[in-house]
Amino acid sequence: DGGITQSPKYLFRKEGQNVTLSCEQNLNHDAMYWYRQDPGQGLRLIYYSQIVNDFQKGDIAEGYSVSREKKESFPLTVTSAQKNPTAFYLCASSIGGGGQPQHFGDGTRLSIL
Amino acid sequence: QKEVEQDPGPLSVPEGAIVSLNCTYSNSAFQYFMWYRQYSRKGPELLMYTYSSGNKEDGRFTAQVDKSSKYISLFIRDSQPSDSATYLCAMSEGTSYDKVIFGPGTSLSVIP
Repeated sequence: DGGITQSPKYLFRKEGQNVTLSCEQNLNHDAMYWYRQDPGQGLRLIYYSQIVNDFQKGDIAEGYSVSREKKESFPLTVTSAQKNPTAFYLCASSIGGGGQPQHFGDGTRLSIL
Repeated sequence: QKEVEQDPGPLSVPEGAIVSLNCTYSNSAFQYFMWYRQYSRKGPELLMYTYSSGNKEDGRFTAQVDKSSKYISLFIRDSQPSDSATYLCAMSEGTSYDKVIFGPGTSLSVIP
């Protein structure tokens, strides 16, 4: 079955630590996205990538970094510079950019120890 | 004013009721409209995808877009307990590097 796999499902970060969230898709989609979801707020875009080796900052990129070395993979690193990292992180992909519908993984919940 | 607004609920209805979920938006350039369903601790699942104004039906779900009023709706007929979830509206202009803007979601409970 085609889909998006996010791992781990739960992650804990210590002070001063960088952590990396994995996102893999086998849908052969060109575009991939990372969102942050907080209670009562809509999904906020962190980073997105329309093509391999290219990515753009979203609305809340500070304290986060990404890479897109392979079409199927788009890992997100939450750095120690992100002072409020506790949230539900969602990865998505779409055939292309613009108005194409996005398909989501089941998320990673990140908490601070 | 937020770009996309949605009543957060919670909305509670009896099984079998018709549910109406709504979003308003401010950007008249939006052309693509989506509805997602999100169960607790899961990712959003695409329910409906429409372009421009008009209606689209898929089983028990009907999506309506009224661009003149900047208002979209999702109707659920014969609601079931399995419909209990958070419903997110989303929209975009559809240009090449355009972002999709999501509403905050409406929490729905269907009571058996």
